[in-house]
Amino acid sequence: AQSVTQLDSQVPVFEEAPVELRCNYSSSVSVYLFWYVQYPNQGLQLLLKYLSGSTLVKGINGFEAEFNKSQTSFHLRKPSVHISDTAEYFCAVRNNNAGNMLTFGGGTRLMVKP
Amino acid sequence: DADVTQTPRNRITKTGKRIMLECSQTKGHDRMYWYRQDPGLGLQLIYYSFDVKDINKGEISDGYSVSRQAQAKFSLSLESAIPNQTALYFCATSDPVGTEELFFGEGSRLTVL
Repeated sequence: AQSVTQLDSQVPVFEEAPVELRCNYSSSVSVYLFWYVQYPNQGLQLLLKYLSGSTLVKGINGFEAEFNKSQTSFHLRKPSVHISDTAEYFCAVRNNNAGNMLTFGGGTRLMVKP
Repeated sequence: DADVTQTPRNRITKTGKRIMLECSQTKGHDRMYWYRQDPGLGLQLIYYSFDVKDINKGEISDGYSVSRQAQAKFSLSLESAIPNQTALYFCATSDPVGTEELFFGEGSRLTVL
């Protein structure tokens, strides 16, 4: 079975500072990796995804993530955050076998302070 | 208009009542899902359906049932609600051709007293 661990439940950061949200997963097979963002009172929307190829993936709103197979990690980064990035961020993993479902991490609440 | 619409958005009910949460989508996707979100636990899959005749249990299906009335409609029922079913519920869809990216509704917040 696969599992996803987001190491930080909350990350406070000042506006314009860099941020990294950590995600580690366990899986015995190759995977697809996703980051979703949930703004207050909204559903989740896709931020970025890794399927194959380059391990550095760029997403919307200036976010990027790097797939590290040896460390089974997929950390999310942004060099300079804005107040509007305040949201909850979810890492998700899917084994790339047919029919397998996404497994979500517990979420990280990013709080950007002025 | 939202591509994935959930009703009601908020509901307060009492223990033992039957509750139905409805989901409709205009994305034309065959695959639909119901998730439950609890603080610190992320999203847990309750049920999923790959087409109208296909219904599957997820990780936490006990106490829930679903109905896929049409390609565009997927409803979740709590036959006899209990307080630990208080949570935020999300419906989602995905396209089988591609990467299984999920498209979410805005959520239904259920409180069981």
